[in-house]
Amino acid sequence: DTAVSQTPKYLVTQMGNDKSIKCEQNLGHDTMYWYKQDSKKFLKIMFSYNNKELIINETVPNRFSPKSPDKAHLNLHINSLELGDSAVYFCASSQNAISGNTIYFGEGSWLTVV
Amino acid sequence: ILNVEQSPQSLHVQEGDSTNFTCSFPSSNFYALHWYRWETAKSPEALFVMTLNGDEKKKGRISATLNTKEGYSYLYIKGSQPEDSATYLCAFRPGANNLFFGTGTRLTVIP
Repeated sequence: DTAVSQTPKYLVTQMGNDKSIKCEQNLGHDTMYWYKQDSKKFLKIMFSYNNKELIINETVPNRFSPKSPDKAHLNLHINSLELGDSAVYFCASSQNAISGNTIYFGEGSWLTVV
Repeated sequence: ILNVEQSPQSLHVQEGDSTNFTCSFPSSNFYALHWYRWETAKSPEALFVMTLNGDEKKKGRISATLNTKEGYSYLYIKGSQPEDSATYLCAFRPGANNLFFGTGTRLTVIP
């Protein structure tokens, strides 16, 4: 069983559309994250949620809105998609935000905006 | 955005050789340092979480050390095997809710 699963894995869509990427973790973790891999291959944090509450939002345009219906899910909604949104988006989770806890990643969702 | 540097960017070694690479991070506000192994189109696989200065962790042929005062961590692979070929990422946490990744060291082990 995949611990952190994201869907879809690949998404090609036109500029201006609204799309969502779903993330689920079956590890019973309290904290979930969204990361974006940029053109230089850096993984940069976008959002961090702890027990369904937003903890951190790192200068992400408000077209990106995370939604956490419960502790096991953190979905990423993107409105009015732009070409620059093309990237790989990774969901992750950890038991909580305590320093010694491992952060587990999903396999990534490849978003291409045309 | 904090600067987390990894060197070298890429590395080719012969099967059986031992190798090591470096992760450098800011020496102030240390919370934790993570190492991941990442193969293309797969999830980054957690190797180690290091929290204390002087930490040494080991998992099979892979080990890591941590020096928080000077801001570096080394990852060692003993007796490299072709299946060790991957990108090795370190990630620095200055606080509970943030994680800054380096660009990784891409290791290729030649049979």
